[in-house]
This record gives sequence, structure tokens and C-alpha cells, in this order.
Amino acid sequence: EVQLVESGGGLVNPGGSLRLSCAASGFTFNDAWMSWVRQVRQAPGKGLEWVGRIKSKINGGTADYAAPVKGRFTISRDDSKNTLYLQMNSLKTEDTALYYCATDYRGSFEIWGQGTMVTVSS
Amino acid sequence: DIVMTQSPDSLAVSLGERATINCKSSQSVLYSSNNKNYLSWYQQKSGQPPKLLIYWASARESGVPDRFSGSGSGTDFTLTISSLQAEDVAVYYCQQYYSTPATFGQGTKVEIK
Repeated sequence: EVQLVESGGGLVNPGGSLRLSCAASGFTFNDAWMSWVRQVRQAPGKGLEWVGRIKSKINGGTADYAAPVKGRFTISRDDSKNTLYLQMNSLKTEDTALYYCATDYRGSFEIWGQGTMVTVSS
Repeated sequence: DIVMTQSPDSLAVSLGERATINCKSSQSVLYSSNNKNYLSWYQQKSGQPPKLLIYWASARESGVPDRFSGSGSGTDFTLTISSLQAEDVAVYYCQQYYSTPATFGQGTKVEIK
């Protein structure tokens, strides 16, 4: 069964750090480009926002980021563990959201996890 | 960044009737070299992650019922549900992947009238 399972969310103070994980199974993870997408729960429409993406190693393994998180968030992958990571530093209240990992195939997000909630609050 | 604007924000349709959702991009998402529109549609039911329905503006993802169809080109796109079923109650999002960052519309909530 194709599956993505996020973990690592929680409550953190502004300025704090958190690392999210995304465990993949059921597909060839090392071939996949992967993205993080977040969804603000309280905003009207509960909009979706792309956070960033990491390419497969064979395509360079580089990462791109959305402007609001660039310089604070880092995406990495461990293909030996079929796991994607999102290291979040200098967290702000506006980073509060449900964070999804998703496969990024041709720019469309085919497979999604169930998400992990991050709350930044004092 | 490319801004995606959906209309309407919500609509209520009777069971078996047609539902139409529009999506407009602030610039063209048609890539001339391959004549493909870099536009996807997603369905999000309450408490669930989004589900990919349509990619390349009109290609249906495997397993998606054929009552869902996508159309349009350039900057104007439409998702049509030809005969609304109870299980189609959800929020629908368009998304462009023509340029980074990928961006989503604000969503359209579809309900039963």
C-alpha cells in the first residue's frame, strides 16, 4: 500500500525549533521528488500553501523553498530510511498549520500523508 | 508568484445536477514547448488530505470517476462535476505548477442543495 506518514508536530514557543518526519512506503522513495505543503486551519477557506520541495538524488537532491520559510526551514531526505524531513527553526506564530508531505510528480501532488499539526504559541 | 483565483467561493447543487468551478491564473500556465497546461485540481473532504483529481488541466488521475472533468487553457480553467453525488461534498482547489512556488486557489466549497 502506498503510504506517507508524518510525525513530529506539536506545540512550540515562538523562536523555537521542530523537526517533522515523513515515512514513505509502497513506492520507490529514492526516485521521488517530495514536497511539504501546509494548511492553516483557522483561516477562511483553510488555504493550502506549498512550503518546499526536494528533488531525488539522481536529479541533484537540491531543495527549493517558499519565500516565507526560506532561510528558516530545511528539507532533507534519507533514502536508506525512506524518510523525508522538515527542520523548522525560528518558528513564528504564522507557521501554525497542518503540515503535509506529498509526492511531487511533474509538479502535481499525487500522494499525501494525513498531516501533522504544528502550533507556535507562547 | 502566480496568483490563482477560484470562483465561486461556494456553491450548492442538487444531487444529479452539474457543478462548475472556475479557476483563473494571474499569468498563463501553458508551456508552449509541449502545449501542456501546468494546472491540477484537488478534492479535499472534511478531515482528510487533498486528493489529486486532474493534472495537465484535463487528465484524470487513475481511479477518479469520469463525472469529474477538467478543461481550459492559458489562464482560465474549469472543473466540472457532471452529475453531483453525495460523496462529492468537499472543498476543491486548483493549483499551478508552471513556476515555483506552486500556488493554490483559495478553494471552492461544494454542498448539496
